[in-house]
Amino acid sequence: DAKTTQPTSMDCAEGRAANLPCNHSTISGNEYVYWYRQIHSQGPQYIIHGLKNNETNEMASLIITEDRKSSTLILPHATLRDTAVYYCIVRVGISQGNLIFGKGTKLSVKP
Amino acid sequence: EPEVTQTPSHQVTQMGQEVILRCVPISNHLYFYWYRQILGQKVEFLVSFYNNEISEKSEIFDDQFSVERPDGSNFTLKIRSTKLEDSAMYFCASSEDRGFGELFFGEGSRLTVL
Repeated sequence: DAKTTQPTSMDCAEGRAANLPCNHSTISGNEYVYWYRQIHSQGPQYIIHGLKNNETNEMASLIITEDRKSSTLILPHATLRDTAVYYCIVRVGISQGNLIFGKGTKLSVKP
Repeated sequence: EPEVTQTPSHQVTQMGQEVILRCVPISNHLYFYWYRQILGQKVEFLVSFYNNEISEKSEIFDDQFSVERPDGSNFTLKIRSTKLEDSAMYFCASSEDRGFGELFFGEGSRLTVL
C-alpha cells in the first residue's frame, strides 16, 4: 500500500494558491517525495520531487518539513486546468521506477 | 516536447481473445513501464523493462501477460487470453534513467473486454 496520507478532496478558487498536504510519517532517509497528477483519465503527469530541501519549478513548489514527515505541494495560481487528482508518492531514489499510487487528492478549482 | 504515444486509444475485444497494446516511448529513454487503472480505482504498476528484459513485475503481471520490445522504437504489452477483469486503462511510461528522473506517461489505451 501507499505510504502516504492525503485528503480525499479539496477545493480552490481560481487564481488562488492551492496547498495540497501529504503525510509520510514513515518515510526513510533515502526516500524522495514525488508528486504526480492525473487530469481526468489521462496518463499521470510528473510535477515535482524532493528529498529534504524545498523545491520549485515552473509548475509548483514543494515544501518538506524539517523532520520530513509531511510535505505540501503548492500551485501558486491555480487555474481551471489544474483540476485533477494529485498523488503524493514516496520512492527510493535509485529504484525500479515502481511508483505506488494511492488514492490521491481530488483538487477542484472553481471559478 | 517529446511524448510517449500509445495505440490503440480504445480496443474492444471478446473474452479469451489476445490483445496487443503498443507504445512508442521517448526516443532516448531506456526504462519502460506498463501501469493499468481499472475504472474508478488506483493506478497500478504492472511491469518495468530494461535492456530487453523485465526488471520488476507485480503480482498482477501473471503468465497471461508479456512484454516485448520488438524493434528500436516499440514497446508492447500482450494479454494472451483476456478476461472481463482485464478491462482497464493501460498506461505506458518511459524514463531516461531508473533513478531520480520522472516517468513520462502516455495517454493510455482503454481496453474493454466483453
